[in-house]
Amino acid sequence: DGGITQSPKYLFRKEGQNVTLSCEQNLNHDAMYWYRQDPGQGLRLIYYSQIVNDFQKGDIAEGYSVSREKKESFPLTVTSAQKNPTAFYLCASREGEVANTEAFFGQGTRLTVV
Amino acid sequence: SQKIEQNSEALNIQEGKTATLTCNYTNYSPAYLQWYRQDPGRGPVFLLLIRENEKEKRKERLKVTFDTTLKQSLFHITASQPADSATYLCALRFSGGYNKLIFGAGTRLAVHP
Repeated sequence: DGGITQSPKYLFRKEGQNVTLSCEQNLNHDAMYWYRQDPGQGLRLIYYSQIVNDFQKGDIAEGYSVSREKKESFPLTVTSAQKNPTAFYLCASREGEVANTEAFFGQGTRLTVV
Repeated sequence: SQKIEQNSEALNIQEGKTATLTCNYTNYSPAYLQWYRQDPGRGPVFLLLIRENEKEKRKERLKVTFDTTLKQSLFHITASQPADSATYLCALRFSGGYNKLIFGAGTRLAVHP
């Protein structure tokens, strides 16, 4: 089955620690995205990548970092510089430059700072 | 800056009625607009896409309109059912952007039996 997988589903982090959220897709999609969702709010774009070895900052990139070394993988690191990291994180992928493509989302990772 | 607005208040309707959700945008020239459904604790799921040169799109009980003059899209669910209760998000990919897909905050729909 093709799809996009995020892990873990729940993650607890101590203050001052870096954590990495995993996102893997086997849809052969070029474009991948990370969004953050806070309770009762919409999705805010953190980082996105059009192609391997390329990524762009979204609207709220501060305190986060990404890499895109492989087409199928786009991990997100939440660093200690992110002041309020508790949120629901969603990864998505799309085919890329084709204009009429939808985004496929993973099931999300809920990060809690303890 | 680019902005997408959806009604922040929940929409409560009776089963069998038509639900109408609104998506307004500013400072965009979107190539197309998409609508997604999100259930609590889950990732959004794609429903419909409408291009800038299309005025209306239908899929089963769903209908989307797109008015680029008003900078507005309307999302209709006819003969609504309790199973349609969810949050509905609109998303825009603007012309010339680097595949950047921007989402609205979503509107929560509750369909009551």
